[in-house]
Amino acid sequence: TQLLEQSPQFLSIQEGENLTVYCNSSSVFSSLQWYRQEPGEGPVLLVTVVTGGEVKKLKRLTFQFGDARKDSSLHITAAQPGDTGLYLCAGLITGTASKLTFGTGTRLQVTL
Amino acid sequence: NAGVMQNPRHLVRRRGQEARLRCSPMKGHSHVYWYRQLPEEGLKFMVYLQKENIIDESGMPKERFSAEFPKEGPSILRIQQVVRGDSAAYFCASSPIPTYEQYFGPGTRLTVT
Repeated sequence: TQLLEQSPQFLSIQEGENLTVYCNSSSVFSSLQWYRQEPGEGPVLLVTVVTGGEVKKLKRLTFQFGDARKDSSLHITAAQPGDTGLYLCAGLITGTASKLTFGTGTRLQVTL
Repeated sequence: NAGVMQNPRHLVRRRGQEARLRCSPMKGHSHVYWYRQLPEEGLKFMVYLQKENIIDESGMPKERFSAEFPKEGPSILRIQQVVRGDSAAYFCASSPIPTYEQYFGPGTRLTVT
């Protein structure tokens, strides 16, 4: 059973376009993180959201945590080739210890 | 500050051999987590350790796999009698306190031939 579903799985866009990646679950999370992973490397933490409805911005990236803390979205404005990578959401299910549950991943490619 | 260190980065083992993967957490971090990423799959939690204690091993296969985090030295993930299905990327993460903010190492890519 996959607790965190991400969509889309693959996304290929041109430089300058906007995009949104979704992370959905039927479970409630006490916190949710977004990571980016480059080929051959480990995931790099981008942001953590903990409060339902919370919105965080990191330059051209905007992260939102759903009001019910069951879903999240990542919006990228004016995508650049440097944004290419695998985007992973990961959550800590309420009541569990420090065991992160990872999403299925969204592979983004931004071309010139 | 140095990040989470893992070695080796690549490990090739024949079926039946033992694999030992090492993880040195970030300075000041006493909590270590191991995750496995199978080809074309997401990361799956394996085990959570503090110094000299296993806190949660609910994601560890029941046989052949073990983990430790001694008082001194790195955390070790040991896989005995490896099989081809063990081929994967193994990632270690660390945190200063039991928290959701886990920082990952570059991983060890294990190939079983």
